[in-house]
This record gives sequence, C-alpha cells and structure tokens, in this order.
Amino acid sequence: SQQGEEDPQALSIQEGENATMNCSYKTSINNLQWYRQNSGRGLVHLILIRSNEREKHSGRLRVTLDTSKKSSSLLITASRAADTASYFCATDEGGAQKLVFGQGTRLTINP
Amino acid sequence: IAGITQAPTSQILAAGRRMTLRCTQDMRHNAMYWYRQDLGLGLRLIHYSNTAGTTGKGEVPDGYSVSRANTDDFPLTLASAVPSQTSVYFCASSVRGGEQPQHFGDGTRLSIL
Repeated sequence: SQQGEEDPQALSIQEGENATMNCSYKTSINNLQWYRQNSGRGLVHLILIRSNEREKHSGRLRVTLDTSKKSSSLLITASRAADTASYFCATDEGGAQKLVFGQGTRLTINP
Repeated sequence: IAGITQAPTSQILAAGRRMTLRCTQDMRHNAMYWYRQDLGLGLRLIHYSNTAGTTGKGEVPDGYSVSRANTDDFPLTLASAVPSQTSVYFCASSVRGGEQPQHFGDGTRLSIL
C-alpha cells in the first residue's frame, strides 16, 4: 500500500526557478523523509522531518510538515541542472520500523 | 568507500530459473531492506531485516526469500523466476528501522523472459 502520494507526478522548470513538490499521506507518522533518485542510480536521503517539527532547512532545501493535513512539501530554491532527478517522500507506518515510499515526482531543470 | 554493493548490476534470466541477488554493506547497519521499483508503482518493500538473524515480510514478499546470517549480507532469492518479477531491485540499509535514513545501493536490473 502506498502511504505517500507525491504531486505533481512531473515538473519541468527553468534553471534558477524554485521547485515545489508535495506529498500527502494517510495514517499517523513519526517522521517523513525525502529522497532523490538520479537516473539509473539508487535513492539518496535528503532530509528527515519529525512529526513534532513544522519546518526544516538543509542548504537549498526547505521541507514543511503539516500533520493536521497529513501533508509535506519539498522546496528546492534556485534550481540547477544537477537537481534534475526523481524525488520521493517516505513515511514510517506508525512506528512499524519500515518506510513506505510514494511514486515520486520527476523534476526536470531546463538550462 | 563505505556503502552498499549490489551484484549483479543487471541480469537476463529464463523463467523458472533460480536467482540470488547479492547485497553487502560495510556500514555495520542493523537494518536491511529489499525493494522493487516498477514504473508507475514506486518502490515496494519485499522483505526486511531489523537485525542479523531476523527477517520480516514487506508489501510484496510472494516468490521471494531472504536470509540474514550476519550483519553485512542480505541476499534475495527468487526460487523460480516469473516474468512479473522483471523489475529493478534495490537493497538498502539503516542504523535502525523506521526513523533512520536509509542508504541505497545502485540496484540490480532483472529481466525475466
């Protein structure tokens, strides 16, 4: 069962613009994580936000979490061509010690 | 360089054959995972292991088996491959389950004919 659902499925923007991706989930969580996947490679962890946190920053990444709406957003500021990748959110199923991944957002940064 | 090594990187296999995908990590992580990634379906958990000597079933375990004889290795076996098992398989590990970031290998691309 898919816990996280990303929106949009695909996003294409110009280099230098900001990119926003959204994730919704269904059940209570302890934390939500975002991952990046470059073509032909494995996933790389970007950031983890706990259920008692509302916002977290890491470099050009900003993640928000709204537990009342069961949603999260990932903002990438000042996008670069190297940011072209698929981005996935993942949640823990109420402490089940496992992550459930969404289907991902495919981000394309046009030079 | 510390990380996860998966082998083979790709394989074409006849239906009905047995196949073992290898996964080794050198980070001394307790938890390890196997996922399959299919277009439009994202990553789905096949099996996991929270610590050496224990394993558990994920979302799509049928047709697959795993073992965790030691901390570093977590092989995935397809006893009798079927075409629906054509996929990209990723192994991952984390210090502990759930609240810890997972580290992924670069995958095994498996085609069952």
